Amino acid sequence: DVKVTQSSRYLVKRTGEKVFLECVQDMDHENMFWYRQDPGLGLRLIYFSYDVKMKEKGDIPEGYSVSREKKERFSLILESASTNQTSMYLCASSAAGGWVEQYFGPGTRLTVT
Amino acid sequence: AQKVTQAQTEISVVEKEDVTLDCVYETRDTTYYLFWYKQPPSGELVFLIRRNSFDEQNEISGRYSWNFQKSTSSFNFTITASQVVDSAVYFCALSEADRNTDKLIFGTGTRLQVFP
Repeated sequence: DVKVTQSSRYLVKRTGEKVFLECVQDMDHENMFWYRQDPGLGLRLIYFSYDVKMKEKGDIPEGYSVSREKKERFSLILESASTNQTSMYLCASSAAGGWVEQYFGPGTRLTVT
Repeated sequence: AQKVTQAQTEISVVEKEDVTLDCVYETRDTTYYLFWYKQPPSGELVFLIRRNSFDEQNEISGRYSWNFQKSTSSFNFTITASQVVDSAVYFCALSEADRNTDKLIFGTGTRLQVFP
């Protein structure tokens, strides 16, 4: 079974802090994704990566950056957390080859106070 | 522009009722895939089905069935004889044409509550 894990289920940070959200997948997937989920807005893509050290902006990249130094790990970084970044963050991975399903981690609920 | 619309924000039913979740999509591509995911209270999205644009056959898997109609750009999901364990948020998604990135466009989700 594909397993995608995220470093924390719940996280509380203060405004202005630098925040790291970590995601690890164990299926040797090429593609990895970061989404945020907000009520009424569904899932919105922040960044994705289709290879090590490669990254592409999604629909809402502002205020975020990412890092992919190893194939299995994809990190989301909030350089200076703000209250409007309070949200559920979901990581996903998928194999290369086109139009395949994504496998999701359990999510990190981040609260910025 | 590509878009997925799930007009039903929340649906409540009593156990054993049948329920249909609607999904309408927009795309200019002739080749695309549609997906349904389930997000139970635990939070992790679970993949349910993938359907390509050339296959309009309905699909049934146990109590679940999917009706894909290109003429109306819809990919609706029906749960027969609903159970409390079906309570979750359900997302419909559309894949973009760029097969190298596998980006998915999600609808806003439908929250299904099944009461005993």
